[in-house]
Amino acid sequence: SQQGEEDPQALSIQEGENATMNCSYKTSINNLQWYRQNSGRGLVHLILIRSNEREKHSGRLRVTLDTSKKSSSLLITASRAADTASYFCATDRGGSARQLTFGSGTQLTVLP
Amino acid sequence: GAGVSQSPSNKVTEKGKDVELRCDPISGHTALYWYRQSLGQGLEFLIYFQGNSAPDKSGLPSDRFSAERTGGSVSTLTIQRTQQEDSAVYLCASNSGGSKETQYFGPGTRLLVL
Repeated sequence: SQQGEEDPQALSIQEGENATMNCSYKTSINNLQWYRQNSGRGLVHLILIRSNEREKHSGRLRVTLDTSKKSSSLLITASRAADTASYFCATDRGGSARQLTFGSGTQLTVLP
Repeated sequence: GAGVSQSPSNKVTEKGKDVELRCDPISGHTALYWYRQSLGQGLEFLIYFQGNSAPDKSGLPSDRFSAERTGGSVSTLTIQRTQQEDSAVYLCASNSGGSKETQYFGPGTRLLVL
């Protein structure tokens, strides 16, 4: 079953605005990752945040992690039309479990 | 190769037929993962390989699904007696497997069962 749940399910913004997506999960994790998917095909890894980290930046991306609330957020600043895609959070529970558990995703549309 | 490749890109089959999907991981990656994504949904884990062995098959939805990996490289996912509910995008990913890290995904195979 899907552990991560993203909200909103869909988000539409104007170019230049910031986009914030949230993810909640249920079990303890080793790390949390965000992926991007264009047109329902392959996923591209964006950023990984470990369970002992609270915030991480990569270019226009900012990720936060609150393990007490079992939640994470992805902020994309100064959005561009090319950022239009589906964004998924994925949790890695560590230990012997190797697979990632994905949420259902947020469909982001950036209007030019 | 430069990235994970999958074939075919698209597959249309009739209900009841068997299909075989192929994944070529990044060279040197020992861990390989299969996921399934139904329309508008997140990814559902199917199976994980470390080398040629599959320590975790917990995600395979039924005994119609099987996978193998030979030579620590190419993997095939076989679906026997396909059903319409098997229609989905099947994604493969790989990584070094040694520590918890990002997975590198292929472009997927879009399967449509008529």
